[in-house]
Order: sequence, then structure tokens, then C-alpha cells
Amino acid sequence: EDQVTQSPEALRLQEGESSSLNCSYTVSGLRGLFWYRQDPGKGPEFLFTLYSAGEEKEKERLKATLTKKESFLHITAPKPEDSATYLCAVTKAAGNKLTFGGGTRVLVKP
Amino acid sequence: NAGVTQTPKFQVLKTGQSMTLQCAQDMNHEYMSWYRQDPGMGLRLIHYSVGAGITDQGEVPNGYNVSRSTTEDFPLRLLSAAPSQTSVYFCAISRSGVSSPLHFGNGTRLTVT
Repeated sequence: EDQVTQSPEALRLQEGESSSLNCSYTVSGLRGLFWYRQDPGKGPEFLFTLYSAGEEKEKERLKATLTKKESFLHITAPKPEDSATYLCAVTKAAGNKLTFGGGTRVLVKP
Repeated sequence: NAGVTQTPKFQVLKTGQSMTLQCAQDMNHEYMSWYRQDPGMGLRLIHYSVGAGITDQGEVPNGYNVSRSTTEDFPLRLLSAAPSQTSVYFCAISRSGVSSPLHFGNGTRLTVT
């Protein structure tokens, strides 16, 4: 069975304090790994797609990396507006379904 | 260009009542899907559609029906609401299935008493 586990569940950071979120996955034949950001009361918003081990993507203060077993979302010098829940999800080569992890709630204090 | 529009935003039902959650898109995407989001459970797929006239079950389909008569609309029907269906429901679309990023609506918060 496909599994996606995110850690930690919650993260409190001071503004400017860099950190990393982990997404470990068990899926046969990974097609792609996605990162989303979700603000309270809103739907998830797409951030990145990673397709193969070694791939990296960056957007402003966020950088996503991928290995054969896990992905990291690095937040560099975060600001309060980076506070959100970050979700990762995987899809495999066969099928039309996305499996989500439980998310990491990030709070950045000024 | 609204993207994905979900109605209503909030709904309270009594056990046994039925209702339809609406999802409409103006992006002309073929793939549409319904998820529910519960604390500690993440997002779970209920039903999905790869085009008009085609639907399939996801991970948690029991108690829900869908149909897709047009590209734009993908309603989710609760046949006889149960307290276990209390959740936040999201409609999500993409250009070409789950290999493309999903674009989500802002959700319907449903409470069943």
C-alpha cells in the first residue's frame, strides 16, 4: 500500500530561522512528488513537482529536493507570511490517484 | 477567471438527509476529483473523472455518488448523510490527470448532526 508520512506534524520558527520539512514515501514506481501549501480556510496551492532522485526546485525562500525514499522542503530565512500547512503527495506510474501525507503546520513568529 | 468554484461554503445536515455539493470549473480541464480532508487523515480521494461521461472510485467512495455530464461540472451527492461524513470537501482539477498539478477550490465545510 502506498504511504506518505510527513514530519514534523508542527513546526514553530522565529523569523529568519531556517528549517526543513520531511516527506518520506513508500510507493512502487514513483511518477511524481508534489508539494502544496495550504492556508487556513483555503484549498491547497501547488508549489513544486519533482520527478526523479537528485532533482531540486526553488521558489523564493523554498527549495524542494528528492531522493529515492524522501523529499525535503527547505525554508530559508522564513517570514511570517510563510506560515501555512505544507502538504506533499505522490503519484505512481500506473493509475490516476494521488496519495497525500498528513501535512506539516508551520508557524513563523516575527 | 474563477478557476474552481465550490458551493456552498458551509452546510449543516441532519443524519439521513441528502444533498449535493457543487463544483464548477472554467479552465476546460479534463480531470476533476473530489477529496475530503479530516484532521490527522490528510486528503483522501473520494471519486474522480477523466472526462465527461467517465467517473471512477477513489479511496473512500462509500456513501457518495458522482456524475459528469459536462466538462465544467462535477457534483458530489451525499445519499443519506452520516456523522462520519462531517469533513471539509475539496474539488480539484488538472489538465491531464494526476501527473499534472491539481488546482483546488476553497472547499465546502460540512457538518452532519
